[in-house]
Amino acid sequence: GESVGLHLPTLSVQEGDNSIINCAYSNSASDYFIWYKQESGKGPQFIIDIRSNMDKRQGQRVTVLLNKTVKHLSLQIAATQPGDSAVYFCAEGPENYGGSQGNLIFGKGTKLSVKP
Amino acid sequence: DTEVTQTPKHLVMGMTNKKSLKCEQHMGHRAMYWYKQKAKKPPELMFVYSYEKLSINESVPSRFSPECPNSSLLNLHLHALQPEDSALYLCASSQTTYEQYFGPGTRLTVT
Repeated sequence: GESVGLHLPTLSVQEGDNSIINCAYSNSASDYFIWYKQESGKGPQFIIDIRSNMDKRQGQRVTVLLNKTVKHLSLQIAATQPGDSAVYFCAEGPENYGGSQGNLIFGKGTKLSVKP
Repeated sequence: DTEVTQTPKHLVMGMTNKKSLKCEQHMGHRAMYWYKQKAKKPPELMFVYSYEKLSINESVPSRFSPECPNSSLLNLHLHALQPEDSALYLCASSQTTYEQYFGPGTRLTVT
C-alpha cells in the first residue's frame, strides 16, 4: 500500500510482482522526463528517460509511460526483485533545452520496498 | 568510465570551520552540478557550471562557495555553516542531455 504525509510515499510489493510508481509533474512545457533510483547511502542512479514527443519507452525490465494530458508519469518495473528496493525520483526538464546543462526539477520520491 | 567521485564520504565540522568538498569526473562532461539533499527529500539544485563557468546559482547563501578549477573538477568551499546545513551534498555531471551522472555524495554534519 501507500502512505503519505510527513514520510516518503511507500510502495510495498512482493518479490516477482510488477511495480508501478507514479509521478505528477508540474510544468506542462517540460520536454524531458527522467527516472532515478536512489539506494540508501548512494547517489541517484539513472534508470530511464523519455521525451515529451513519446508516450512510452521500454528498457530492461522497466517501462516509462507519459500522459501529457494529465501531466502524469509512471515507472513500471517487471518482476520486481529485492535489489529494486530504493527510493525512486522522477525529474522533469524544461523545453528549449540546449547546450550541455540540464536543469532538472525533482519530484518528491517514492520508496519501494520489496518483500522476499 | 561513467563514474563521478566525491571526497570525503563523511565530514563533521564546527560552525567556525572552513572545509571543502571535492568532485571529479573523467567522462568529458561539460556541465557539473552541486545538489543538497535532506533526509527523505529530493535533491535540490545549488549550482551549475557549464564549460567551467558558473551558469546557475539557486540563491545559495554565500557561506557556500563553488569553484571549478578545470573541466574535470568541482569544489564546494564551506565556511561558517549552520546546523541546518547538515545534509547529503551530491555532485553530478552531464554532457549534452539531461542524463546527469551522480556521485555517491558527501554526508555533512555541522555541529
